[in-house]
Amino acid sequence: AQTVTQSQPEMSVQEAETVTLSCTYDTSESNYYLFWYKQPPSRQMILVIRQEAYKQQNATENRFSVNFQKAAKSFSLKISDSQLGDTAMYFCAPITSGTYKYIFGTGTRLKVLA
Amino acid sequence: NAGVTQTPKFQVLKTGQSMTLQCAQDMNHNSMYWYRQDPGMGLRLIYYSASEGTTDKGEVPNGYNVSRLNKREFSLRLESAAPSQTSVYFCASSVQVRELVFGEGSRLTVL
Repeated sequence: AQTVTQSQPEMSVQEAETVTLSCTYDTSESNYYLFWYKQPPSRQMILVIRQEAYKQQNATENRFSVNFQKAAKSFSLKISDSQLGDTAMYFCAPITSGTYKYIFGTGTRLKVLA
Repeated sequence: NAGVTQTPKFQVLKTGQSMTLQCAQDMNHNSMYWYRQDPGMGLRLIYYSASEGTTDKGEVPNGYNVSRLNKREFSLRLESAAPSQTSVYFCASSVQVRELVFGEGSRLTVL
């Protein structure tokens, strides 16, 4: 069975600092995609960033970037210049190519401190 | 552009009652999903429909049924609600291996 692990239930960071949220995806597959979603207090699920496992280059989207270590099956999210609006739950969600099942990690609650 | 629309947004049921959560998307997506979110549990997949005419079980299907009515609509039915089904329910849709687009969620309380 494929499992997704987010080992940090809660984290906090000072405004303008950098924080890294971890996610590991235990799979025997080689072709998969990984997504990070943000869920602010409004409860709406918002896509943050997407990473394709076959790509060597880490994905970047403005202040958000991925540190993808394929051999370690690690897919961490780095948030630079943290802002108060980044306060939210963050979920990683992988999907294996050719399937349709997006499975979510248990989430990391991030609080950005003023 | 409405995206994914879920109804109702709030519902209170008594144990044993039945209800259907409705979901519709207007993005011409092939795949649709139902998740539940409990405190500290993240999102757990209940059922999904890879394409019109197909449905499959997810991680926690017991106590639920689904219907993919057409390409746009995917409903979730609780035949006999139990307190353990108190949760926030999310519908989502996607094109394969693209990102999920979520509805706003439906809060269900079973007394």
